Amino acid sequence: QVQLQESGPGLVKPSQTLSLTCTVSGGSISSGSYYWSWIRQPAGKGLEWIGRIYTSGSTNYNPSLKSRVTISVDTSKNQFSLKLSSVTAADTAVYYCARDFTRHWFDPWGQGTLVTVSS
Amino acid sequence: EIVMTQSPATLSVSPGERATLSCRASQSVSSNLAWYQQKPGQAPRLLIYGASTRATGIPARFSGSGSGTEFTLTISSLQSEDFAVYYCQQYNNWQTFGQGTKLEIK
Repeated sequence: QVQLQESGPGLVKPSQTLSLTCTVSGGSISSGSYYWSWIRQPAGKGLEWIGRIYTSGSTNYNPSLKSRVTISVDTSKNQFSLKLSSVTAADTAVYYCARDFTRHWFDPWGQGTLVTVSS
Repeated sequence: EIVMTQSPATLSVSPGERATLSCRASQSVSSNLAWYQQKPGQAPRLLIYGASTRATGIPARFSGSGSGTEFTLTISSLQSEDFAVYYCQQYNNWQTFGQGTKLEIK
């Protein structure tokens, strides 16, 4: 059974770059026709898809965040990563990684990690 | 961007009763719709995809219906573990979520 786990700093200063890694266990990140996505959720609010990557390296990003987002994959480590640049307080949220079933639904999800943007 | 609107924002239902949650898309998404359940402090869990297909391990009391712009998630005979926030998500054009419906105990 595939499981995902986010890791990275819980506090980032404004204008800096947020960096998170998602480690996939219980299966190879390269197997199947899966994409791998990042999704975030500000406290008390709804969910926002950030972007996805295929193991070939092909990416898609939410147009509203595209200028600041980079997603990469390291198949040798069974990991994929998120970088979000020039962060502000509005980027404070719980960040989830998830398996993206052919750019459709998300299953399963990681437990999520809270990232706070503050000086 | 396709905007997903869920109603009501909060729904109060007694255990054992039926709950009906609605989701409306700003334009047709065909049957490209999923539903998730989220409990406090937990990640969302996939319940339904393709508007009406239950995900693996999801109890039969959860059912989804609809197509185009109007969708419904029905939970028959509510159990205590069903009280949570529910989100719809379209994947017809990129992927966007509704704002959620909180299902609370009456």
